[in-house]
Amino acid sequence: KNQVEQSPQSLIILEGKNCTLQCNYTVSPFSNLRWYKQDTGRGPVSLTIMTFSENTKSNGRYTATLDADTKQSSLHITASQLSDSASYICVVHDRGSTLGRLYFGRGTQLTVWP
Amino acid sequence: EADIYQTPRYLVIGTGKKITLECSQTMGHDKMYWYQQDPGMELHLIHYSYGVNSTEKGDLSSESTVSRIRTEHFPLTLESARPSHTSQYLCASTGLASPNEQFFGPGTRLTVL
Repeated sequence: KNQVEQSPQSLIILEGKNCTLQCNYTVSPFSNLRWYKQDTGRGPVSLTIMTFSENTKSNGRYTATLDADTKQSSLHITASQLSDSASYICVVHDRGSTLGRLYFGRGTQLTVWP
Repeated sequence: EADIYQTPRYLVIGTGKKITLECSQTMGHDKMYWYQQDPGMELHLIHYSYGVNSTEKGDLSSESTVSRIRTEHFPLTLESARPSHTSQYLCASTGLASPNEQFFGPGTRLTVL
């Protein structure tokens, strides 16, 4: 059973609009959570990392939140651009693993229309 | 942009052929990984390496094999490709400076006919 669930599976928005992507996880013990952006035909690229003590972190137009109590994270994108069209993947790091075990969500496919 | 490279980017081959997917990184990272990703699905770890001469199988069973003779190089080999091997293969690496972040290559899209 996948321990990282993302919603929605896909999303279409108009350029300039905001959107919020959700990530729920059951990974324990928790170390950190990353949001990756994966353009079509490319490898994922890290956008933000959230540790246990962090609630909010921004990276330009991307703002990630983390509620470690409810095991939920969100990624908010403001003033969307066409280049934001990509898959956004939530990845949770298991603190208990020496490998640096990562649990991947299936991603939210975002499409920004002009 | 991470300094991790994969070749070829796209490969279409016939069943039964032997193939090697190349992965190289110039960051001096010790840990390297191979993932398999199907459309709309999560990444699945198929192989990893802690360093030279260290290789382990990941969570997803795979008929592929890997080798790690040099720190910067982590090739993946399929002795006899089958249509079920059709997928995207992503290579990643991790360094001591940022042990929780995996840097990904651009991927190889493999199609076996």
